[in-house]
Amino acid sequence: EVQLVESGGGLVQSGRSLRLSCTGSGFTFGDYGMSWVRQAPGKGLEWVGFIRRKGFGGTTEYAASVKGRFIISRDDSKSIAYLQMDSLKTEDTAVYYCSRATNFYDTSGYYYWGQGTLVTVSS
Amino acid sequence: DIQLTQSPSFLSASVGDRVTITCRASQGISSYLAWYQQKPGKAPKLLIYAASTLQSGVTSRFSGSGSGTEFTLTISSLQPEDFATYYCQQLNSYPRTFGQGTKVEIK
Repeated sequence: EVQLVESGGGLVQSGRSLRLSCTGSGFTFGDYGMSWVRQAPGKGLEWVGFIRRKGFGGTTEYAASVKGRFIISRDDSKSIAYLQMDSLKTEDTAVYYCSRATNFYDTSGYYYWGQGTLVTVSS
Repeated sequence: DIQLTQSPSFLSASVGDRVTITCRASQGISSYLAWYQQKPGKAPKLLIYAASTLQSGVTSRFSGSGSGTEFTLTISSLQPEDFATYYCQQLNSYPRTFGQGTKVEIK
């Protein structure tokens, strides 16, 4: 059974950093790209970023709202994807979900999701 | 970036109603569109991908259509468990973007 578990959320002051982890199991982690999606309280879904599998270069893509502040990385030996969040702003307050690409090319949506981890950025 | 606009943003309907939600893209995205259902406090659930392909395990009450810039999600006969918020997402280019959501509530 495929499982994704996020961790690392919490309360942090504006301007500080936080690193989220997404641990995958039940599948060959290195075979898939991984995405991060967030949802501010009472708001809609916002795509944050994506990391390709190493076979496709392991490169990353980001939303404009986080580019230059957030970095996605992966450690396939541990089946973990990371979201390093620097220079946090109050508007980054959200539940952060990791999700697995349904196909190898990240074109068929996200079937597998974690339970989400809440990040609260205080001023 | 590709913008997705869903309409309506809010929909009030009764059990048994046929419901249609529209998602318009700011530029052509071929058929690279997915639909999700989200209930409060839960992660989104993938309903449809490639604009019209029903995800395995999803009831056939849901159907999707469209290509290019205009897409629809149809619920053929609304059931109590279908009251939720629905989002479209484009997977044609980065950054991937979501529509703003359509909340379906009980009339």
